[in-house]
Amino acid sequence: GEDVEQSLFLSVREGDSSVINCTYTDSSSTYLYWYKQEPGAGLQLLTYIFSNMDMKQDQRLTVLLNKKDKHLSLRIADTQTGDSAIYFCAESRTGFQKLVFGTGTRLLVSP
Amino acid sequence: DADVTQTPRNRITKTGKRIMLECSQTKGHDRMYWYRQDPGLGLRLIYYSFDVKDINKGEISDGYSVSRQAQAKFSLSLESAIPNQTALYFCATSDQTGAYNEQFFGPGTRLTVL
Repeated sequence: GEDVEQSLFLSVREGDSSVINCTYTDSSSTYLYWYKQEPGAGLQLLTYIFSNMDMKQDQRLTVLLNKKDKHLSLRIADTQTGDSAIYFCAESRTGFQKLVFGTGTRLLVSP
Repeated sequence: DADVTQTPRNRITKTGKRIMLECSQTKGHDRMYWYRQDPGLGLRLIYYSFDVKDINKGEISDGYSVSRQAQAKFSLSLESAIPNQTALYFCATSDQTGAYNEQFFGPGTRLTVL
């Protein structure tokens, strides 16, 4: 099967860290992605991680991958109001031509 | 100029009407996709195309059809719109090689069927 699940909503205060979680079912996932959707816009790739990695850091973003538990997380340090958006995790795999998206997590950052 | 454009951006129509949503891209990608977004359901794939002669159904193709008029253009049609097709529709492109599949999205079309 190819299910990717996320919690629907997360609320944090400006300056705090945000952690958005994602679980997936297919152990053959090769790449896992985080996309950001700002209000009124399409999705944009934020970051991705290859399945043989446990962690990837990119400025304020830290991606953690636990393959054993099929769990992916995105940590945003020093969260800003401009980080308010919907965040989607997604996965792809060799020989499978589609990108499978999670349900999306709406992040609300309050001042 | 945006790399992936969609027209119209908003559309309100009535049950039973035929609707066409258009997507154009300047990225030179062979692969194009149509998704719909519903609250709490994420993005679901409607159709995808790997080149002008290749069209494939996604997970929710019933009630929809597509046409790949050129490498740069991929349109989605609702032959007879119904209210549960009210959603946000996105077009995307990619030049997937191997397993890495970064997709580039248009701004979306908000469709309301009354």
